[in-house]
Amino acid sequence: EVQLVESGGGLVQPGGSLTLSCTASGFTFVGYWMSWVRQVPGKGLEWVANIKQDGSEKHYVDSVKGRFTISRDNGKNSLYLQMNSLRAEDTAVYYCAKYGLGSGTSLDYWGQGTLVTVSS
Amino acid sequence: QSALTQPASVSGSPGQSITISCTGTSSDVGGYIYVSWYQQPPGKAPKVMIYDVNKRPSGVANRFSGSKSGNTASLTISGLQAEDEADYYCCSYAGSDTYVFGTGTKVTVL
Repeated sequence: EVQLVESGGGLVQPGGSLTLSCTASGFTFVGYWMSWVRQVPGKGLEWVANIKQDGSEKHYVDSVKGRFTISRDNGKNSLYLQMNSLRAEDTAVYYCAKYGLGSGTSLDYWGQGTLVTVSS
Repeated sequence: QSALTQPASVSGSPGQSITISCTGTSSDVGGYIYVSWYQQPPGKAPKVMIYDVNKRPSGVANRFSGSKSGNTASLTISGLQAEDEADYYCCSYAGSDTYVFGTGTKVTVL
C-alpha cells in the first residue's frame, strides 16, 4: 500500500524558516517525480514544486522561487521542502504527492498534509 | 501561472448529470493533453478522478468522464450520487515541468 506521511509543520514567525518532510512507502520511490502542493484553509489547491527522480531537475511556482527548496533522499525514501523567508501568505496545508498514471503528469497518491502557520 | 478558471459551484439532483468546466489558455490546457481532475471531500486529501484529459484510474466509477476542447477541459458526472458531493479541481501541465490548478468547484447534490 502506497503511503505518504508529511511532518514538520507548525507555527513560525514571518521571516522564519521551516523544513517539511515526507516519508514514502509502498512503492519504488526512486522511480517517480514527486511534488508539493499547498492549500490555504478554505481555499483552493496550488502547485508549489516538483523534483525529478534523481533530483537533477527542480521546478517551482513563481511565488516561492528563491525562498523554497525541494529536495529528496532516495536512500531514505524521503522528500523535503525547505522554506525560508516565510510570509503570512505561505500559511497553508502542505501536501506531498507522487506523480504517476499514464503520461506521469497526474498526482496519483497524496499524503494527509501538514499545516504551516506563519504568524507573529 | 494564473489559476485555471472553474465555476465556484455546481449542483444537481441525484441521477442527473453535471459538467464542470476548466478554462485556461493555449499555454496550459490548450497546449497539452495533460489535464487531470481531483475530488476532495471536506477535510480530506485530494484523489485523482481523471488523468490525461479522459482516462479513469482503476477504481473510479465510470460515471466520471473527462474531455477537452481548445482551452477548456470538462469533467462530467453522470448519474449523480450523494457520495459525489465534494470539491473538484482541474490541473493542467503548463510547460517546463510546471503545473497549474483550477480555482475549484463545490459540487452539491440536492
